[in-house]
Amino acid sequence: AQSVTQLGSHVSVSEGALVLLRCNYSSSVPPYLFWYVQYPNQGLQLLLKYTTGATLVKGINGFEAEFKKSETSFHLTKPSAHMSDAAEYFCAVGYRGSARQLTFGSGTQLTVLP
Amino acid sequence: EAQVTQNPRYLITVTGKKLTVTCSQNMNHEYMSWYRQDPGLGLRQIYYSMNVEVTDKGDVPEGYKVSRKEKRNFPLILESPSPNQTSLYFCASSFREGAYEQYFGPGTRLTVT
Repeated sequence: AQSVTQLGSHVSVSEGALVLLRCNYSSSVPPYLFWYVQYPNQGLQLLLKYTTGATLVKGINGFEAEFKKSETSFHLTKPSAHMSDAAEYFCAVGYRGSARQLTFGSGTQLTVLP
Repeated sequence: EAQVTQNPRYLITVTGKKLTVTCSQNMNHEYMSWYRQDPGLGLRQIYYSMNVEVTDKGDVPEGYKVSRKEKRNFPLILESPSPNQTSLYFCASSFREGAYEQYFGPGTRLTVT
């Protein structure tokens, strides 16, 4: 079985500050890891994903995440927050060959303060 | 344009009145799935389909039905809706099963009174 824990249901940062959204996973097999973003009144959009290879993954809009197997973590970061980054962010875990596809975390609402 | 469409986007109904939420994708994806999103719970999978005529239960299937008669369509059926099914519903599709990128529809907000 796999699971995802997102620490902090709400995170606030100032515009220009570092964004750090935390995600820890549990998986009995090598995981595939994803971050999705949901803007108000929209569906989810893929930000970035890790499947195999390089553990530092770069995504859209300046976001990146690092897969740390020893810490079972996949935290999302962005060096400088922009007002347009305000949204809800979901971490998800899956693995190759999974017929059930992805298990999602409960989400983190990011607020960017002017 | 590659997309997943859902209809209706908003629906208010009464307890026990059967309803169907349609989902269609134009990407020739094999895999389709339905989720519900509730505050603090993230997205929970209701049903998924690995191909035409192949469907299976997700984590919260009670009170829902699905069918996959055509590759592009995957309707969600609530035969006797109840207030605890008030939620935001998302349809998603991907090339095939196995943790490939999922493409999400815009969502259907359902209220059951």
